[in-house]
Amino acid sequence: DAGVTQSPTHLIKTRGQQVTLRCSPKSGHDTVSWYQQALGQGPQFIFQYYEEEERQRGNFPDRFSGHQFPNYSSELNVNALLLGDSALYLCASSLEGYRGQSYNEQFFGPGTRLTVL
Amino acid sequence: AQKITQTQPGMFVQEKEAVTLDCTYDTSDPSYGLFWYKQPSSGEMIFLIYQGSYDQQNATEGRYSLNFQKARKSANLVISASQLGDSAMYFCAMRASYDKVIFGPGTSLSVIP
Repeated sequence: DAGVTQSPTHLIKTRGQQVTLRCSPKSGHDTVSWYQQALGQGPQFIFQYYEEEERQRGNFPDRFSGHQFPNYSSELNVNALLLGDSALYLCASSLEGYRGQSYNEQFFGPGTRLTVL
Repeated sequence: AQKITQTQPGMFVQEKEAVTLDCTYDTSDPSYGLFWYKQPSSGEMIFLIYQGSYDQQNATEGRYSLNFQKARKSANLVISASQLGDSAMYFCAMRASYDKVIFGPGTSLSVIP
């Protein structure tokens, strides 16, 4: 049973460009959450997707957008990249259902390390 | 507002000794879950242990145990018989009812041979 997978592993972009990161959840999971982890800090919640809709959102600007597909996989898009967007982007999947169960363990992928020059 | 505090930026422990990593939290929601994750240098977050706010007993998972003191709003992680492979960043996290997961700033643990 494959766990959470993310692609690409590493990415280098320049300021102003756009980037798309991809995530495939663990088999059987219906919810995908994205986190940004700057160097030396804890992960910060970006947003969560369930049934192809954004269910919750953290304090991130509209430059950060996402999508969830019918097979539960997800994309994170970041427009107009800034130097401060350089970070490890983590995807986590869980089985939560329509009520968004609070206490289910989230399984994390290996992350995508984004560098903005 | 919900918040997680980890006051130990770095910790050292001798191999085979036990170590306690501190975590305090703040929430007004009576229903919440507390998690600990390990993040090796490779970057992947590895789930270690979970404690629910209504759980009567402290959670244990192998060498990991959670010292849950609800009145003090603390959820310290205890690692027994430390191993060299335990060297990593450790994050305490919390999720209140149907809310997002928030993480603390982390503690870097180094196990000394």
